[in-house]
Amino acid sequence: DADVTQTPRNRITKTGKRIMLECSQTKGHDRMYWYRQDPGLGLRLIYYSFDVKDINKGEISDGYSVSRQAQAKFSLSLESAIPNQTALYFCATSAWRDHTDTQYFGPGTRLTVL
Amino acid sequence: GENVEQHPSTLSVQEGDSAVIKCTYSDSASNYFPWYKQELGKRPQLIIDIRSNVGEKKDQRIAVTLNKTAKHFSLHITETQPEDSAVYFCAASGLYNTDKLIFGTGTRLQVFP
Repeated sequence: DADVTQTPRNRITKTGKRIMLECSQTKGHDRMYWYRQDPGLGLRLIYYSFDVKDINKGEISDGYSVSRQAQAKFSLSLESAIPNQTALYFCATSAWRDHTDTQYFGPGTRLTVL
Repeated sequence: GENVEQHPSTLSVQEGDSAVIKCTYSDSASNYFPWYKQELGKRPQLIIDIRSNVGEKKDQRIAVTLNKTAKHFSLHITETQPEDSAVYFCAASGLYNTDKLIFGTGTRLQVFP
Protein backbone atom coordinates (compact mmCIF):
# COMPACT_ATOMS: atom_id res chain seq x y z
CA ASP A 1 0.00 0.00 0.00
CA ALA A 2 1.86 3.08 -1.27
CA ASP A 3 -0.06 5.28 1.19
CA VAL A 4 2.14 4.12 4.06
CA THR A 5 5.85 4.61 3.56
CA GLN A 6 8.86 3.81 5.69
CA THR A 7 12.42 5.09 5.55
CA PRO A 8 14.99 3.71 5.37
CA ARG A 9 14.06 0.35 3.84
CA ASN A 10 17.30 -1.23 4.96
CA ARG A 11 19.80 -0.17 7.58
CA ILE A 12 22.95 -1.71 8.95
CA THR A 13 24.37 -0.14 12.07
CA LYS A 14 26.68 -0.89 14.96
CA THR A 15 26.00 -1.60 18.59
CA GLY A 16 25.51 1.58 20.60
CA LYS A 17 24.43 3.79 17.71
CA ARG A 18 21.23 5.83 17.76
CA ILE A 19 18.84 4.91 14.99
CA MET A 20 15.59 6.49 13.84
CA LEU A 21 13.06 4.76 11.63
CA GLU A 22 10.44 6.94 10.04
CA CYS A 23 6.89 6.29 8.94
CA SER A 24 4.66 8.55 6.90
CA GLN A 25 1.09 8.06 5.70
CA THR A 26 -1.21 9.88 3.33
CA LYS A 27 -4.31 7.90 4.29
CA GLY A 28 -5.49 10.52 6.78
CA HIS A 29 -5.60 7.89 9.52
CA ASP A 30 -5.43 8.94 13.14
CA ARG A 31 -3.93 5.74 14.57
CA MET A 32 -0.39 4.59 13.96
CA TYR A 33 1.59 1.62 15.20
CA TRP A 34 5.10 0.19 15.24
CA TYR A 35 5.62 -3.56 15.10
CA ARG A 36 8.65 -5.78 15.12
CA GLN A 37 8.73 -9.05 13.16
CA ASP A 38 11.10 -11.86 14.02
CA PRO A 39 11.09 -15.34 12.46
CA GLY A 40 8.77 -17.63 14.38
CA LEU A 41 7.52 -14.86 16.65
CA GLY A 42 5.00 -13.12 14.46
CA LEU A 43 4.34 -9.40 14.75
CA ARG A 44 4.82 -7.82 18.15
CA LEU A 45 3.55 -4.34 19.02
CA ILE A 46 6.20 -1.88 20.19
CA TYR A 47 4.29 1.41 20.48
CA TYR A 48 1.03 2.84 19.24
CA SER A 49 -0.51 6.29 18.97
CA PHE A 50 -4.17 7.20 18.67
CA ASP A 51 -3.44 10.83 17.83
CA VAL A 52 -0.62 13.37 18.01
CA LYS A 53 -0.86 13.75 21.79
CA ASP A 54 -1.42 10.09 22.57
CA ILE A 55 1.46 7.60 22.85
CA ASN A 56 1.15 4.15 24.38
CA LYS A 57 3.55 1.30 25.06
CA GLY A 58 2.94 -2.04 23.42
CA GLU A 59 4.18 -5.51 24.28
CA ILE A 60 7.90 -4.86 23.82
CA SER A 61 8.68 -1.16 24.32
CA ASP A 62 11.92 -1.51 26.30
CA GLY A 63 14.87 -0.08 24.37
CA TYR A 64 12.62 1.89 22.02
CA SER A 65 11.04 5.34 21.98
CA VAL A 66 8.66 7.04 19.58
CA SER A 67 7.63 10.48 18.42
CA ARG A 68 4.38 11.48 16.72
CA GLN A 69 5.47 14.65 14.96
CA ALA A 70 2.21 15.11 13.10
CA GLN A 71 -0.87 13.08 12.32
CA ALA A 72 0.90 11.69 9.28
CA LYS A 73 4.30 10.94 10.84
CA PHE A 74 5.35 8.45 13.50
CA SER A 75 9.02 7.77 14.20
CA LEU A 76 10.64 4.93 16.11
CA SER A 77 14.02 5.44 17.78
CA LEU A 78 16.56 3.05 19.16
CA GLU A 79 18.64 5.20 21.51
CA SER A 80 21.48 2.69 21.77
CA ALA A 81 21.06 -0.18 19.34
CA ILE A 82 21.92 -3.72 20.38
CA PRO A 83 22.22 -6.87 18.23
CA ASN A 84 18.97 -8.45 19.48
CA GLN A 85 17.12 -5.49 17.96
CA THR A 86 18.00 -6.88 14.55
CA ALA A 87 14.60 -7.46 12.98
CA LEU A 88 12.08 -6.35 10.38
CA TYR A 89 10.12 -3.32 11.56
CA PHE A 90 6.68 -2.43 10.28
CA CYS A 91 4.65 0.70 10.70
CA ALA A 92 0.88 0.43 10.39
CA THR A 93 -2.09 2.78 10.39
CA SER A 94 -5.81 2.53 11.00
CA ALA A 95 -8.75 4.88 11.17
CA TRP A 96 -11.02 4.92 14.18
CA ARG A 97 -13.66 6.78 12.22
CA ASP A 98 -14.02 3.88 9.78
CA HIS A 99 -14.83 1.40 12.56
CA THR A 100 -13.25 -1.27 10.41
CA ASP A 101 -10.17 -1.81 12.52
CA THR A 102 -8.19 -2.73 9.42
CA GLN A 103 -4.53 -1.97 9.84
CA TYR A 104 -2.55 -0.96 6.76
CA PHE A 105 1.11 -1.80 6.89
CA GLY A 106 4.10 -0.02 5.42
CA PRO A 107 6.71 -1.89 3.37
CA GLY A 108 8.95 -2.55 6.36
CA THR A 109 12.46 -1.57 7.42
CA ARG A 110 15.05 -4.29 7.75
CA LEU A 111 17.43 -3.31 10.54
CA THR A 112 20.68 -5.12 11.25
CA VAL A 113 22.68 -4.27 14.37
CA LEU A 114 26.24 -5.57 14.30
CA GLY B 1 -3.25 -9.90 28.61
CA GLU B 2 -4.31 -11.53 25.39
CA ASN B 3 -2.33 -14.46 24.04
CA VAL B 4 -2.89 -15.93 20.59
CA GLU B 5 -1.60 -19.36 19.60
CA GLN B 6 -1.52 -20.42 15.96
CA HIS B 7 -1.12 -23.88 14.42
CA PRO B 8 0.41 -25.34 12.39
CA SER B 9 3.59 -23.34 11.88
CA THR B 10 4.02 -24.82 8.40
CA LEU B 11 1.50 -26.38 6.06
CA SER B 12 2.07 -27.96 2.67
CA VAL B 13 -0.82 -28.85 0.37
CA GLN B 14 -1.33 -29.90 -3.21
CA GLU B 15 -2.92 -27.39 -5.54
CA GLY B 16 -6.67 -27.76 -5.40
CA ASP B 17 -6.72 -29.14 -1.88
CA SER B 18 -8.07 -27.26 1.13
CA ALA B 19 -5.97 -25.67 3.87
CA VAL B 20 -7.02 -24.96 7.44
CA ILE B 21 -5.15 -22.81 9.95
CA LYS B 22 -6.29 -22.65 13.55
CA CYS B 23 -5.85 -20.07 16.29
CA THR B 24 -6.83 -19.96 19.93
CA TYR B 25 -7.04 -16.87 22.11
CA SER B 26 -7.05 -16.39 25.85
CA ASP B 27 -9.03 -13.19 26.50
CA SER B 28 -12.75 -13.87 26.45
CA ALA B 29 -13.32 -10.11 25.97
CA SER B 30 -11.72 -10.21 22.51
CA ASN B 31 -14.23 -9.42 19.79
CA TYR B 32 -12.32 -8.82 16.59
CA PHE B 33 -10.33 -11.47 14.72
CA PRO B 34 -8.52 -10.51 11.51
CA TRP B 35 -6.35 -12.65 9.26
CA TYR B 36 -3.37 -11.20 7.43
CA LYS B 37 -1.43 -12.64 4.51
CA GLN B 38 2.22 -11.85 4.01
CA GLU B 39 3.85 -12.85 0.76
CA LEU B 40 7.61 -13.27 0.66
CA GLY B 41 9.32 -9.90 1.04
CA LYS B 42 6.01 -8.05 1.22
CA ARG B 43 3.97 -6.34 3.90
CA PRO B 44 1.11 -8.07 5.74
CA GLN B 45 -2.28 -7.40 4.20
CA LEU B 46 -5.73 -8.07 5.60
CA ILE B 47 -7.55 -10.84 3.77
CA ILE B 48 -10.59 -11.40 5.96
CA ASP B 49 -11.84 -10.59 9.44
CA ILE B 50 -14.67 -11.60 11.71
CA ARG B 51 -16.37 -10.06 14.70
CA SER B 52 -17.80 -11.91 17.65
CA ASN B 53 -21.40 -11.36 16.63
CA VAL B 54 -21.06 -13.82 13.73
CA GLY B 55 -19.86 -17.39 13.61
CA GLU B 56 -18.69 -17.59 10.02
CA LYS B 57 -17.73 -15.32 7.16
CA LYS B 58 -16.86 -16.19 3.58
CA ASP B 59 -15.15 -14.34 0.76
CA GLN B 60 -14.82 -16.44 -2.36
CA ARG B 61 -12.34 -19.24 -1.55
CA ILE B 62 -11.60 -17.95 1.93
CA ALA B 63 -13.71 -18.45 5.04
CA VAL B 64 -13.22 -17.82 8.72
CA THR B 65 -15.09 -19.53 11.54
CA LEU B 66 -15.29 -18.46 15.15
CA ASN B 67 -16.17 -20.50 18.23
CA LYS B 68 -16.42 -18.05 21.11
CA THR B 69 -17.16 -20.74 23.67
CA ALA B 70 -13.97 -22.60 22.86
CA LYS B 71 -12.09 -19.35 22.11
CA HIS B 72 -10.79 -20.47 18.78
CA PHE B 73 -11.09 -19.34 15.19
CA SER B 74 -9.94 -20.84 11.93
CA LEU B 75 -9.06 -19.82 8.40
CA HIS B 76 -10.22 -22.11 5.62
CA ILE B 77 -8.87 -21.83 2.09
CA THR B 78 -10.53 -24.01 -0.53
CA GLU B 79 -9.25 -24.93 -4.00
CA THR B 80 -5.78 -23.70 -3.11
CA GLN B 81 -3.61 -22.17 -5.80
CA PRO B 82 0.16 -21.59 -5.92
CA GLU B 83 -0.43 -17.86 -5.35
CA ASP B 84 -1.93 -18.72 -1.96
CA SER B 85 1.60 -19.61 -0.83
CA ALA B 86 2.49 -17.11 1.89
CA VAL B 87 2.67 -16.67 5.65
CA TYR B 88 -0.71 -16.22 7.29
CA PHE B 89 -1.18 -14.47 10.64
CA CYS B 90 -4.23 -14.51 12.85
CA ALA B 91 -4.82 -11.80 15.42
CA ALA B 92 -7.25 -10.82 18.15
CA SER B 93 -8.33 -7.63 19.85
CA GLY B 94 -11.25 -5.94 21.54
CA LEU B 95 -14.03 -4.51 19.42
CA TYR B 96 -13.05 -1.16 17.90
CA ASN B 97 -9.92 -1.30 20.00
CA THR B 98 -6.95 -2.31 17.86
CA ASP B 99 -4.44 -0.86 20.29
CA LYS B 100 -3.83 -4.37 21.54
CA LEU B 101 -4.02 -6.30 18.29
CA ILE B 102 -2.14 -9.45 19.29
CA PHE B 103 -0.83 -11.60 16.47
CA GLY B 104 -0.24 -15.31 16.30
CA THR B 105 3.20 -16.57 15.31
CA GLY B 106 2.24 -17.27 11.71
CA THR B 107 1.70 -20.25 9.41
CA ARG B 108 3.81 -20.72 6.32
CA LEU B 109 1.55 -22.22 3.65
CA GLN B 110 3.10 -23.83 0.61
CA VAL B 111 0.88 -24.88 -2.27
CA PHE B 112 2.56 -27.26 -4.67
CA PRO B 113 1.41 -27.39 -8.31
